[in-house]
Amino acid sequence: GNSVTQMEGPVTLSEEAFLTINCTYTATGYPSLFWYVQYPGEGLQLLLKATKADDKGSNKGFEATYRKETTSFHLEKGSVQVSDSAVYFCALRGSSASKIIFGSGTRLSIRP
Amino acid sequence: GAGVSQTPSNKVTEKGKYVELRCDPISGHTALYWYRQSLGQGPEFLIYFQGTGAADDSGLPNDRFFAVRPEGSVSTLKIQRTERGDSAVYLCASSSGLAGGVGELFFGEGSRLTVL
Repeated sequence: GNSVTQMEGPVTLSEEAFLTINCTYTATGYPSLFWYVQYPGEGLQLLLKATKADDKGSNKGFEATYRKETTSFHLEKGSVQVSDSAVYFCALRGSSASKIIFGSGTRLSIRP
Repeated sequence: GAGVSQTPSNKVTEKGKYVELRCDPISGHTALYWYRQSLGQGPEFLIYFQGTGAADDSGLPNDRFFAVRPEGSVSTLKIQRTERGDSAVYLCASSSGLAGGVGELFFGEGSRLTVL
Protein backbone atom coordinates (compact mmCIF):
# COMPACT_ATOMS: atom_id res chain seq x y z
CA GLY A 1 0.00 0.00 0.00
CA ASN A 2 0.90 3.66 -0.06
CA SER A 3 3.27 5.01 2.55
CA VAL A 4 5.29 8.07 3.48
CA THR A 5 8.65 8.10 5.26
CA GLN A 6 10.16 11.30 6.59
CA MET A 7 13.31 12.06 8.48
CA GLU A 8 13.07 11.73 12.21
CA GLY A 9 13.50 14.72 14.41
CA PRO A 10 13.92 16.70 16.33
CA VAL A 11 15.85 19.05 14.10
CA THR A 12 17.43 22.08 15.77
CA LEU A 13 18.91 24.89 13.71
CA SER A 14 20.10 28.43 14.23
CA GLU A 15 18.15 31.30 12.73
CA GLU A 16 19.03 31.94 9.06
CA ALA A 17 20.31 28.40 8.55
CA PHE A 18 19.36 26.31 5.52
CA LEU A 19 16.70 23.69 6.14
CA THR A 20 16.06 20.34 4.48
CA ILE A 21 13.52 17.83 5.77
CA ASN A 22 13.57 14.62 3.75
CA CYS A 23 10.44 12.82 2.63
CA THR A 24 10.16 9.75 0.44
CA TYR A 25 7.05 7.89 -0.58
CA THR A 26 5.79 4.59 -1.90
CA ALA A 27 2.71 4.67 -4.10
CA THR A 28 1.24 3.19 -7.22
CA GLY A 29 0.21 5.52 -9.99
CA TYR A 30 0.53 9.27 -9.69
CA PRO A 31 -0.11 10.53 -6.18
CA SER A 32 -0.43 14.13 -5.03
CA LEU A 33 2.07 15.20 -2.37
CA PHE A 34 1.75 17.67 0.49
CA TRP A 35 3.52 19.25 3.38
CA TYR A 36 1.39 20.13 6.40
CA VAL A 37 2.60 22.13 9.40
CA GLN A 38 1.46 22.24 12.99
CA TYR A 39 2.55 25.34 14.90
CA PRO A 40 2.53 25.20 18.71
CA GLY A 41 -1.02 25.30 20.04
CA GLU A 42 -2.59 25.26 16.58
CA GLY A 43 -4.22 22.71 14.30
CA LEU A 44 -2.60 21.17 11.25
CA GLN A 45 -2.60 23.35 8.16
CA LEU A 46 -1.49 22.93 4.59
CA LEU A 47 1.92 24.44 3.83
CA LEU A 48 2.35 23.48 0.18
CA LYS A 49 1.43 20.84 -2.37
CA ALA A 50 2.39 19.37 -5.75
CA THR A 51 0.06 17.31 -7.86
CA LYS A 52 2.30 15.94 -10.61
CA ALA A 53 5.91 15.01 -11.26
CA ASP A 54 8.39 17.90 -11.45
CA ASP A 55 5.90 20.33 -9.94
CA LYS A 56 7.33 22.62 -7.27
CA GLY A 57 5.13 23.67 -4.39
CA SER A 58 6.06 26.82 -2.50
CA ASN A 59 4.75 28.95 0.35
CA LYS A 60 6.21 31.18 3.08
CA GLY A 61 9.71 30.70 1.68
CA PHE A 62 9.44 26.90 1.78
CA GLU A 63 9.75 24.80 -1.36
CA ALA A 64 9.41 21.14 -2.29
CA THR A 65 9.77 19.48 -5.70
CA TYR A 66 7.89 16.33 -6.67
CA ARG A 67 10.59 13.94 -7.89
CA LYS A 68 9.12 10.78 -9.35
CA GLU A 69 12.50 9.26 -10.24
CA THR A 70 13.60 9.32 -6.62
CA THR A 71 10.06 9.14 -5.12
CA SER A 72 10.88 12.15 -2.97
CA PHE A 73 9.33 15.43 -1.89
CA HIS A 74 11.96 17.06 0.32
CA LEU A 75 11.07 20.31 2.10
CA GLU A 76 13.61 23.15 1.90
CA LYS A 77 13.97 26.72 3.10
CA GLY A 78 16.94 28.92 2.48
CA SER A 79 16.87 30.91 5.72
CA VAL A 80 14.77 29.74 8.65
CA GLN A 81 13.26 31.97 11.30
CA VAL A 82 12.31 31.35 14.90
CA SER A 83 8.67 31.50 13.82
CA ASP A 84 9.22 28.39 11.65
CA SER A 85 9.49 26.25 14.78
CA ALA A 86 6.75 23.66 14.36
CA VAL A 87 6.09 20.03 13.48
CA TYR A 88 6.14 19.30 9.74
CA PHE A 89 4.26 16.39 8.16
CA CYS A 90 4.76 15.01 4.68
CA ALA A 91 1.55 13.55 3.22
CA LEU A 92 0.34 11.69 0.16
CA ARG A 93 -2.97 11.25 -1.62
CA GLY A 94 -3.03 8.26 -3.92
CA SER A 95 -4.30 8.66 -7.42
CA SER A 96 -7.02 6.08 -6.96
CA ALA A 97 -8.11 6.96 -3.46
CA SER A 98 -9.17 10.07 -1.63
CA LYS A 99 -7.69 9.41 1.75
CA ILE A 100 -4.56 11.32 2.64
CA ILE A 101 -1.88 9.48 4.58
CA PHE A 102 0.71 11.25 6.70
CA GLY A 103 4.29 10.65 7.71
CA SER A 104 5.27 10.55 11.37
CA GLY A 105 6.25 14.22 11.50
CA THR A 106 9.50 16.11 12.06
CA ARG A 107 9.78 18.57 14.92
CA LEU A 108 11.81 21.65 13.98
CA SER A 109 13.20 24.07 16.54
CA ILE A 110 14.94 27.27 15.52
CA ARG A 111 17.11 29.06 18.06
CA PRO A 112 17.72 32.80 17.83
CA GLY B 1 -18.16 29.17 12.46
CA ALA B 2 -15.27 29.89 10.18
CA GLY B 3 -13.29 26.75 10.86
CA VAL B 4 -13.72 23.10 11.75
CA SER B 5 -15.07 22.75 15.26
CA GLN B 6 -14.57 19.66 17.42
CA THR B 7 -16.17 18.88 20.74
CA PRO B 8 -15.30 18.06 23.40
CA SER B 9 -11.74 19.36 23.33
CA ASN B 10 -10.91 17.01 26.17
CA LYS B 11 -12.57 13.80 27.30
CA VAL B 12 -11.51 11.58 30.16
CA THR B 13 -13.36 8.31 30.51
CA GLU B 14 -12.99 4.93 32.13
CA LYS B 15 -12.15 1.72 30.38
CA GLY B 16 -15.25 0.05 29.00
CA LYS B 17 -17.31 3.25 28.64
CA TYR B 18 -18.91 4.61 25.46
CA VAL B 19 -17.67 7.88 23.95
CA GLU B 20 -18.92 10.22 21.24
CA LEU B 21 -16.78 12.85 19.56
CA ARG B 22 -18.39 15.50 17.40
CA CYS B 23 -17.10 17.37 14.36
CA ASP B 24 -18.71 20.40 12.74
CA PRO B 25 -17.00 21.00 9.38
CA ILE B 26 -16.61 24.19 7.40
CA SER B 27 -19.96 25.11 5.89
CA GLY B 28 -20.33 23.73 2.37
CA HIS B 29 -17.47 21.25 2.61
CA THR B 30 -18.68 17.92 1.27
CA ALA B 31 -15.74 15.79 2.40
CA LEU B 32 -15.03 15.01 6.03
CA TYR B 33 -12.18 12.97 7.46
CA TRP B 34 -11.41 11.48 10.86
CA TYR B 35 -7.83 10.82 11.94
CA ARG B 36 -6.25 9.64 15.17
CA GLN B 37 -2.93 11.01 16.37
CA SER B 38 -0.86 9.49 19.13
CA LEU B 39 1.97 11.36 20.82
CA GLY B 40 4.95 11.79 18.51
CA GLN B 41 3.16 10.24 15.55
CA GLY B 42 1.52 11.50 12.42
CA PRO B 43 -2.25 11.46 11.92
CA GLU B 44 -3.56 7.95 11.28
CA PHE B 45 -6.48 7.77 8.83
CA LEU B 46 -9.71 6.34 10.21
CA ILE B 47 -12.61 7.14 7.87
CA TYR B 48 -13.61 9.53 5.11
CA PHE B 49 -17.12 10.75 4.19
CA GLN B 50 -18.23 12.21 0.90
CA GLY B 51 -21.61 13.70 1.71
CA THR B 52 -23.56 11.37 3.97
CA GLY B 53 -21.84 8.15 2.96
CA ALA B 54 -18.59 6.66 4.16
CA ALA B 55 -16.41 6.59 1.05
CA ASP B 56 -13.55 4.81 2.79
CA ASP B 57 -13.65 3.32 6.29
CA SER B 58 -10.58 1.14 5.88
CA GLY B 59 -8.77 2.85 8.76
CA LEU B 60 -11.26 2.02 11.49
CA PRO B 61 -9.26 -0.31 13.75
CA ASN B 62 -12.14 -2.63 14.76
CA ASP B 63 -15.89 -2.82 15.16
CA ARG B 64 -15.83 -0.77 18.37
CA PHE B 65 -15.33 2.30 16.20
CA PHE B 66 -18.16 3.75 14.16
CA ALA B 67 -18.84 7.12 12.55
CA VAL B 68 -21.91 8.76 11.08
CA ARG B 69 -22.73 11.86 9.10
CA PRO B 70 -26.51 11.65 8.68
CA GLU B 71 -27.16 15.01 7.03
CA GLY B 72 -23.87 15.50 5.24
CA SER B 73 -22.62 18.09 7.67
CA VAL B 74 -21.89 17.30 11.32
CA SER B 75 -20.21 13.96 12.00
CA THR B 76 -19.96 11.89 15.16
CA LEU B 77 -17.24 9.34 15.88
CA LYS B 78 -18.48 6.71 18.30
CA ILE B 79 -16.25 4.42 20.31
CA GLN B 80 -17.76 1.54 22.26
CA ARG B 81 -16.15 -0.32 25.17
CA THR B 82 -13.18 2.03 25.24
CA GLU B 83 -9.73 0.63 25.93
CA ARG B 84 -6.63 2.36 27.25
CA GLY B 85 -5.05 2.00 23.80
CA ASP B 86 -7.77 4.26 22.37
CA SER B 87 -6.22 7.23 24.17
CA ALA B 88 -5.13 9.73 21.52
CA VAL B 89 -6.08 13.01 19.90
CA TYR B 90 -8.89 12.50 17.41
CA LEU B 91 -8.69 14.95 14.53
CA CYS B 92 -11.42 15.94 12.13
CA ALA B 93 -10.80 17.64 8.81
CA SER B 94 -13.01 18.85 6.00
CA SER B 95 -12.40 19.57 2.36
CA SER B 96 -14.36 21.08 -0.49
CA GLY B 97 -15.04 19.76 -3.99
CA LEU B 98 -15.50 16.34 -5.50
CA ALA B 99 -13.57 13.32 -4.32
CA GLY B 100 -12.07 15.23 -1.42
CA GLY B 101 -10.96 18.15 -3.52
CA VAL B 102 -7.32 18.58 -4.44
CA GLY B 103 -6.15 17.61 -1.03
CA GLU B 104 -6.30 20.68 1.14
CA LEU B 105 -7.69 19.50 4.41
CA PHE B 106 -8.83 22.02 7.00
CA PHE B 107 -8.29 20.55 10.44
CA GLY B 108 -9.99 21.13 13.73
CA GLU B 109 -8.00 21.40 16.93
CA GLY B 110 -8.84 17.86 17.91
CA SER B 111 -10.51 16.02 20.76
CA ARG B 112 -8.07 14.60 23.26
CA LEU B 113 -9.38 11.28 24.60
CA THR B 114 -7.91 9.74 27.72
CA VAL B 115 -9.08 6.30 28.78
CA LEU B 116 -8.19 5.46 32.36
